[in-house]
Amino acid sequence: GAGVSQSPSNKVTEKGKDVELRCDPISGHTALYWYRQSLGQGLEFLIYFQGNSAPDKSGLPSDRFSAERTGGSVSTLTIQRTQQEDSAVYLCASGAIAGAGDTQYFGPGTRLTVL
Amino acid sequence: QKEVEQNSGPLSVPEGAIASLNCTYSDRGSQSFFWYRQYSGKSPELIMFIYSNGDKEDGRFTAQLNKASQYVSLLIRDSQPSDSATYLCAALRGSQGNLIFGKGTKLSVKP
Repeated sequence: GAGVSQSPSNKVTEKGKDVELRCDPISGHTALYWYRQSLGQGLEFLIYFQGNSAPDKSGLPSDRFSAERTGGSVSTLTIQRTQQEDSAVYLCASGAIAGAGDTQYFGPGTRLTVL
Repeated sequence: QKEVEQNSGPLSVPEGAIASLNCTYSDRGSQSFFWYRQYSGKSPELIMFIYSNGDKEDGRFTAQLNKASQYVSLLIRDSQPSDSATYLCAALRGSQGNLIFGKGTKLSVKP
């Protein structure tokens, strides 16, 4: 079946502008995660949604970052007043359940460049 | 202290050799561990996960976990040039939740 999809694949924006990144998880997956990967850095956890539970926002680097998940499916990550240090690849992953042994499947990512 | 640590490499092995990739973790509460492969410009793809002490084999890949030493490894037998990639080790935070990733080890398999 279809994997995790993300849009746009590339986004170039000017410093100070807001951006929205979209993630469509694998159908039926209840867990959805956002990570980001900066050049030369490992994957950094941002936020995690599990079913109808309140999201785990512990990885969000500042209050400029927010995310929502509508209807338990599609998720949007919003970055307000973008800064150059926000430039990174933003990766979304989904899983059938969140737990030991469960696999997180990654989407192709959105490459964000803030000029 | 970084929660998951890997040698950044590059690790270079000849074709047909065994590649050994190592990872240590600091949180004794971590129960499950994952190895992902990431080709340049691509997203990570899962190779294996392990949550019991010992070895777990899948084709040319063997994952090893030693919880007492807080050590995870991935062995790739009969390495192929197509195995050249960055290998990411990850620990599951708690019993459910996000993954904590190491920075990855770059593997180069020379023909």
